[in-house]
Amino acid sequence: QITLKESGPTLVKPTQTLTLTCTFSGFSLSTSGEGVGWIRQPPGKALEWLALIYWDDDKRYSPSLKSRLTITKDTSKNQVVLTMTNMDPVDTATYYCAHNKAAAGSWFDPWGQGTLVIVSS
Amino acid sequence: SYELTQPPSVSVSPGQTASITCSGDKLGDKFACWYQQKPGQSPVLVIYQDRKGPSGIPERFSGSNSGNTATLTISGTQALDEADYFCQTWDSSTVVFGGGTKLTVL
Repeated sequence: QITLKESGPTLVKPTQTLTLTCTFSGFSLSTSGEGVGWIRQPPGKALEWLALIYWDDDKRYSPSLKSRLTITKDTSKNQVVLTMTNMDPVDTATYYCAHNKAAAGSWFDPWGQGTLVIVSS
Repeated sequence: SYELTQPPSVSVSPGQTASITCSGDKLGDKFACWYQQKPGQSPVLVIYQDRKGPSGIPERFSGSNSGNTATLTISGTQALDEADYFCQTWDSSTVVFGGGTKLTVL
């Protein structure tokens, strides 16, 4: 059974850097084909994909946010870390991590419970 | 950038068939998948690779994808199917989500 859980600060100030950690179990990021993605959802709004990292350290980023995002993995700890710089109130959202497997038209399954991040001074 | 368009809302009577569309340029040449999200919960995959259902998802959920439109169909819709539904695809090695559709069962 695959599970994922997000952790990080609930409140960040504008201009600060957000660091979120996804801790997972049930698979290994050293196994061919495995990946973990980050997706966010502002309150009452749509899902927005942020980043994805694969077992081979292949990294993909949302074009609109690429300059602010960094995704890394720690295979020994079963963790994926996402950093987002220069946070703004519009970045207030629930941030999810999700399991992904490299495949044609790959999908996210399952998802973590999400963590709410509020950006406010 | 690539965009996926969904109707903001769809209504259906219990027991009837609900169809939720997702439109994008030549979407039929790509794979689409669908997620269900109930209030306060994380999204759950209900269809992948256009028409495949994950284990544990009721068979009343089905999908298709042709031309510019992918469609999620829920047959014999139940009250517990009331939720937001999001489509997703890939374009130029990046992930794209649709804007979501609120399905109301009334």
